[in-house]
Amino acid sequence: QVQLVESGGGVVQPGRSLRLSCAASGFTFSSYGMHWVRQAPGKGLEWVAVISYDGSNKYYADSVKGRFTISRDNSKNTLYLQINSLRGEDTAVYYCAKDGDPYRSGGSYYFDYWGQGTLVTVSS
Amino acid sequence: DIVMTQSPDSLAVSLGERATINCESSQSVLYSFNNKNYLAWYQQKPGQPPKLLIYWASTRESGVPDRFSGSGSGTDFTLTISSLQPEDVADYYCQQYYSTPPTFGQGTKVEIK
Repeated sequence: QVQLVESGGGVVQPGRSLRLSCAASGFTFSSYGMHWVRQAPGKGLEWVAVISYDGSNKYYADSVKGRFTISRDNSKNTLYLQINSLRGEDTAVYYCAKDGDPYRSGGSYYFDYWGQGTLVTVSS
Repeated sequence: DIVMTQSPDSLAVSLGERATINCESSQSVLYSFNNKNYLAWYQQKPGQPPKLLIYWASTRESGVPDRFSGSGSGTDFTLTISSLQPEDVADYYCQQYYSTPPTFGQGTKVEIK
């Protein structure tokens, strides 16, 4: 069965950096685009970034462009999100989510599996 | 960016009754070349991640009970729960994937009356 397990969250001071990971299993990771979606406490869902199945294409939300970097290691079945210059508004649960179909070149799609999420709290 | 607007923000329905959630997009999410609406619905229970219910506006995800159905086209969509069950208490979100960035509605909270 598909499993996505995020890690790397925690309490971080404003301006610092953090790297989130998402370990995938139960499907052919290298065939699927992967996304990060976040949810601030008590708020709705906000898409953050996507990376194509082969890592060649990446897209970001305007709110994180230039500060966040999405990457993947298909040999380790792991997705990453490097978060720099953290701000209070980045406080959220960060979910990794899997594209609904394989071999897409990136961009917008629906998400058929989600991880449980990892909480990032930005606070001094 | 395409703005997704759900209505109502919350609704309370008696057990066994119908629940209807509406979702409107600021521009059409219907692709003419394949006649598909790029619209999905998710269910999120407290403390859990979202779960995919419906994609392509009306295709039910495997394992989703058939009391959940999606309809609509272009800019106006509906998620219907035909007979509300206790386990259906949750937040529901629509999402467009017609263009990047994918965007979500603000969510609709469904409760038992």
